[in-house]
Amino acid sequence: DAKTTQPPSMDCAEGRAANLPCNHSTISGNEYVYWYRQIHSQGPQYIIHGLKNNETNEMASLIITEDRKSSTLILPHATLRDTAVYYCIVRVAGGYQKVTFGTGTKLQVIP
Amino acid sequence: DGGITQSPKYLFRKEGQNVTLSCEQNLNHDAMYWYRQDPGQGLRLIYYSQIVNDFQKGDIAEGYSVSREKKESFPLTVTSAQKNPTAFYLCASRPRDASYGYTFGSGTRLTVV
Repeated sequence: DAKTTQPPSMDCAEGRAANLPCNHSTISGNEYVYWYRQIHSQGPQYIIHGLKNNETNEMASLIITEDRKSSTLILPHATLRDTAVYYCIVRVAGGYQKVTFGTGTKLQVIP
Repeated sequence: DGGITQSPKYLFRKEGQNVTLSCEQNLNHDAMYWYRQDPGQGLRLIYYSQIVNDFQKGDIAEGYSVSREKKESFPLTVTSAQKNPTAFYLCASRPRDASYGYTFGSGTRLTVV
């Protein structure tokens, strides 16, 4: 699996858009980009995933660059409840290969 | 509602004792995983199972054991051979569909006293 690089922490004002970057320069053509978040002392929660096209759901938007070497998770209107650690991972489509979650980005939403 | 149930939420163990953490899912997922998380750290993979009666070691399997006798259940035993067992343990599952992400349980916090 490709490794990912994320900033260790970010701040965002409440009500503003939070843009969380992720670098995955060694991603393979068949690897998806997934985003999860973990609120303190809970299990991680799936947010969104994509292969090459931009994706949007009720929680967030995912922007993947054309060369697929990086992506950005966008929370359009951050709330205090969005304060969490956000993980970006990549994995191959299909199969059950092991996946390691890095340390992610600690997003602090400020009132 | 479908989901993953981990129990207990908090567990205390004396040094030298084995302890088993429960993980049950009713999502009909094929694959199940155990992760360990230490304070301020990411998730490290302990064991994973793709199918009943089969499992593979992850990155930090030493001192742990698992079984997968039923599709719904993937218990983790922390043995006395695990030198530093105090941690937050997370169980996850995933279906066969390639695009699905993981579903995680709420975790068990194990403390050795």
